[in-house]
Amino acid sequence: RKEVEQDPGPFNVPEGATVAFNCTYSNSASQSFFWYRQDCRKEPKLLMSVYSSGNEDGRFTAQLNRASQYISLLIRDSKLSDSATYLCVVNPRVYGNKLVFGAGTILRVKS
Amino acid sequence: GAVVSQHPSRVICKSGTSVKIECRSLDFQATTMFWYRQFPKQSLMLMATSNEGSKATYEQGVEKDKFLINHASLTLSTLTVTSAHPEDSSFYICSARDLHGVEWEQYFGPGTRLTVT
Repeated sequence: RKEVEQDPGPFNVPEGATVAFNCTYSNSASQSFFWYRQDCRKEPKLLMSVYSSGNEDGRFTAQLNRASQYISLLIRDSKLSDSATYLCVVNPRVYGNKLVFGAGTILRVKS
Repeated sequence: GAVVSQHPSRVICKSGTSVKIECRSLDFQATTMFWYRQFPKQSLMLMATSNEGSKATYEQGVEKDKFLINHASLTLSTLTVTSAHPEDSSFYICSARDLHGVEWEQYFGPGTRLTVT
């Protein structure tokens, strides 16, 4: 089983739609969780950290469910510019502070 | 967020030559930097952890004599791909951690696209 698993997609949605991605992680001792966004042929950019209480940043909401070991990202009112690959990233803490990346979920927002 | 720069952004070299890639933290000091490699349509794979003033820690399967890492200062780490071969062609990305509140957040450089001919 992979340490971090994501549905690769692609998710094809119209502008204005709400879309949600889930990610599961295998190490129950993991402490830190992040969503990164990666555009084609570019570096990953931190979208948001995921806190136990959940957090929201504009149109983006991240949730953590420790009992089920999954993280979610909700995007409301999708824009064309949201088209990218979304990477679920976990710090299992068993390797010091090395991050483990999911393979990414592709989102395509169409007009 | 913190800014990490990388140079060069793109390099083409001939098989058998060596290529040096620089990674700099521009507005913070980084005792630890990370080097990743990403092949097309795949996720980032950690190659090594670069520690300022000490030897790098390599991931399993990564040849330390082929991928030389030097972290000579708190703002600069370099990766040298020695005797490059076409299979080393990839997207190399460095990152550095910065403390954000009580949590470390990791920021990435823009990457270096290496093509070995």
